[in-house]
This record gives sequence, C-alpha cells and structure tokens, in this order.
Amino acid sequence: KQEVTQIPAALSVPEGENLVLNCSFTDSAIYNLQWFRQDPGKGLTSLLLIQSSQREQTSGRLNASLDKSSGRSTLYIAASQPGDSATYLCAPVRAGGTSYGKLTFGQGTILTVHP
Amino acid sequence: SAVISQKPSRDICQRGTSLTIQCQVDSQVTMMFWYRQQPGQSLTLIATANQGSEATYESGFVIDKFPISRPNLTFSTLTVSNMSPEDSSIYLCSVRSGGAGANVLTFGAGSRLTVL
Repeated sequence: KQEVTQIPAALSVPEGENLVLNCSFTDSAIYNLQWFRQDPGKGLTSLLLIQSSQREQTSGRLNASLDKSSGRSTLYIAASQPGDSATYLCAPVRAGGTSYGKLTFGQGTILTVHP
Repeated sequence: SAVISQKPSRDICQRGTSLTIQCQVDSQVTMMFWYRQQPGQSLTLIATANQGSEATYESGFVIDKFPISRPNLTFSTLTVSNMSPEDSSIYLCSVRSGGAGANVLTFGAGSRLTVL
C-alpha cells in the first residue's frame, strides 16, 4: 500500500524566500506524480505533473523534481509571495491496470508567506 | 483541462438524513473519482465511477453508505446516506484529462457538508 509523507507539515516564511517542500513515497511503481495546491475550504488546483520517466518539470516560479528510485519528489518555489499561501499536496499516481488514475495523497504542507 | 462543476458547494444537514452531490464535467470522460477530505486531513479516495458499470469502492467504503450513479459520460452523483457528524467533510469529484498519456487529475471545487 502506497504511503506518502510530506515534510515539513507547516512552513511560515517572509516574502521573497526560496522554498523547498519535500514528498516521499513508499511504492516506486508509479505512473506519474502530481503536485496540487489547496486554498482554505476550496478544491484542488493542479500545479505540476511529472511523468515517471522525467526528472523535473517547471512552471513559472515552480519547479518539481522526481527521483522515482528513491521515492522522493521536491517542489521548489522561487521568490515566494503572500499569494502562495496555501496547502501543498503531492500525490503519486499508481501504475497500470485497474488502479490507473488513482492518487494517494500526502498530508500536505501548510505554507504561509508573510508580506 | 476539463472543467468540473459540483453542487451543492456546501450544506448543513441533520443526522440521519441523506444528501446527493452532483458532479458535471464539460467533456466526456471514462472514469470519475470521488474523494473525501475530513477536517484537517488529506484526501481519501472513496470510489471510482465508470459509465455503464457499478462503481468500484475502496477499502472502508461501501455502496450502501455511498451510493454512486454514473448515467452518462459527463455526470455523476454521490449520495451520503444516513449521515452522522463523522460524515462532515469536503467531498470532491475528479476526472482524468489532458490528452493521451497526460493523466492530469482535475478536481471540482468540492462540496462541504456539515452534519449536526
């Protein structure tokens, strides 16, 4: 059974800092891995998707890396802004068969960026 | 990516009643997924809904408690039956989109249920 751990559980930083959010997973047989953002009381917004064959993916100030063999993914946020404040969730996608498309979520990292 | 509409966005319900949540997608999708997010927790998959067949439930979730309908390729409903305060959660539907091989999961805004 896939288990996903995110560290740190919470992070509070001043505006402008570069941030690192960590995600580890126990089953490396994944199809891909997605990072999501969730604002309080809201649904999820997909940030980045990394295919299992990729090492990293970039979108604006966000960069996600994936080391499938060691079961780790990292989300880098450059020059953080107060609007980045949210909960960040990583979710590896199970590989193949009837499990295709099913995600296992970590507990998330609650990020607060102060002006 | 797909656009998902969920209704209701929130509701306050009495113990013992049932509530049906609707999920409408702007494109045809084969698989739809229903998740639950309990207060302060991450998301847990309830079931996978395929058009034309019975939903597939994850361990710990049963059809009598969470009946699902999938009448066509753009719509699904999840009913939370005989509710108790422990059912107070955000319920989210999601679909896979983004073209062949992309497998991007898109989520609705969620339905926040409070059971008194």
